[in-house]
Amino acid sequence: GDSVTQMEGPVTLSEEAFLTINCTYTATGYPSLFWYVQYPGEGLQLLLKATKADDKGSNKGFEATYRKETTSFHLEKGSVQVSDSAVYFCALSDPGGSYIPTFGRGTSLIVHP
Amino acid sequence: NAGVMQNPRHLVRRRGQEARLRCSPMKGHSHVYWYRQLPEEGLKFMVYLQKENIIDESGMPKERFSAEFPKEGPSILRIQQVVRGDSAAYFCASSPGTDFYNEQFFGPGTRLTVL
Repeated sequence: GDSVTQMEGPVTLSEEAFLTINCTYTATGYPSLFWYVQYPGEGLQLLLKATKADDKGSNKGFEATYRKETTSFHLEKGSVQVSDSAVYFCALSDPGGSYIPTFGRGTSLIVHP
Repeated sequence: NAGVMQNPRHLVRRRGQEARLRCSPMKGHSHVYWYRQLPEEGLKFMVYLQKENIIDESGMPKERFSAEFPKEGPSILRIQQVVRGDSAAYFCASSPGTDFYNEQFFGPGTRLTVL
């Protein structure tokens, strides 16, 4: 079945540091890929998405590129801020599998001033 | 356009009581999903509904839990005879359809505490 694997957290960084959160996936078909962010006490909200190979999703300084050859969708940001502290979820939606999206376990990011 | 609404935001129940969680999807969305999130754990799928139909309840415990999405009104997740292990955050999400490129829109969650 489909699965999403994220690096374990927490990831702790100083402000203005470079961020990478790894995400790899397995899927039956040709999935769409998503990153969601959850701020403390809130629900998840879409951060960015990509629907085909080599697409780059970007939003709020975050980027992720759909790499079909390595089945990866790593999240990056060049300079993190304290306000980026949150939990990040990688997810996929697979037309060849279930219509239920598959989520990773989430990676907590803590950014210190 | 209002987002996904959930209420109550916080719910406290004693063991053995019933908990009712409500979710109003975004306008125009007819697909509703319920998830449970435990502290330090990821999001666990529970049930997927369309209006008046349960499409997939494979993630829902067989006993005490039920869900509905009536023709009129919000979707309801009902937990009977709650136990301490039911304490968690419950999130509802909606989408306009099952197209695989559609993202889900999440509500703020209901945090259930069982005493």
